[in-house]
Amino acid sequence: DGGITQSPKYLFRKEGQNVTLSCEQNLNHDAMYWYRQDPGQGLRLIYYSQIVNDFQKGDIAEGYSVSREKKESFPLTVTSAQKNPTAFYLCASSIGPDSRETQYFGPGTRLLVL
Amino acid sequence: AQSVSQHNHHVILSEAASLELGCNYSYGGTVNLFWYVQYPGQHLQLLLKYFSGDPLVKGIKGFEAEFIKSKFSFNLRKPSVQWSDTAEYFCAVRANTGNQFYFGTGTSLTVIP
Repeated sequence: DGGITQSPKYLFRKEGQNVTLSCEQNLNHDAMYWYRQDPGQGLRLIYYSQIVNDFQKGDIAEGYSVSREKKESFPLTVTSAQKNPTAFYLCASSIGPDSRETQYFGPGTRLLVL
Repeated sequence: AQSVSQHNHHVILSEAASLELGCNYSYGGTVNLFWYVQYPGQHLQLLLKYFSGDPLVKGIKGFEAEFIKSKFSFNLRKPSVQWSDTAEYFCAVRANTGNQFYFGTGTSLTVIP
């Protein structure tokens, strides 16, 4: 069953802690993306990766970090420097970076800061 | 920078009513346009997309959208909505030469049986 999995579904974090959100895809896609979804603001791009071992900052990368050591995995770390981390985080992938490619989304992880 | 505007934040319709959701973007170059839908409890999924050619594109579940270049618009339409169309709808734009998708803020559609 091909698709994108994100874990966990809900994540609680104490202030000052780093936390890592998992994103795995078995679609053999080259490109992967992380978005943040806040009420009334739609989806905003945090980071994207067009190929293994390469990634670029999106519009709101401050306070986040990523790695792309494997094609199928693109974990996102929310660091303590992120001032307002409570949000719904969506991971997506596409076959390649071509602008016509459809993005496929995972189910999301809701992060709550206590 | 590109931006995408969705003017309707919440829309409530009765079944069989016609639907039109507005989407405008700001970018002067060639763009690729998408509508995504998020049904309650489900993943975001593609409804339809436009790259070139016929500006009226048809998607899944009877949805269609029309690209009007002069108005920088890509409005979503459906002649007769069903209760199962209740969802959140997102318009997205990607420049032909760009790497990023830009999403609108979304429109929440509620269809009353």
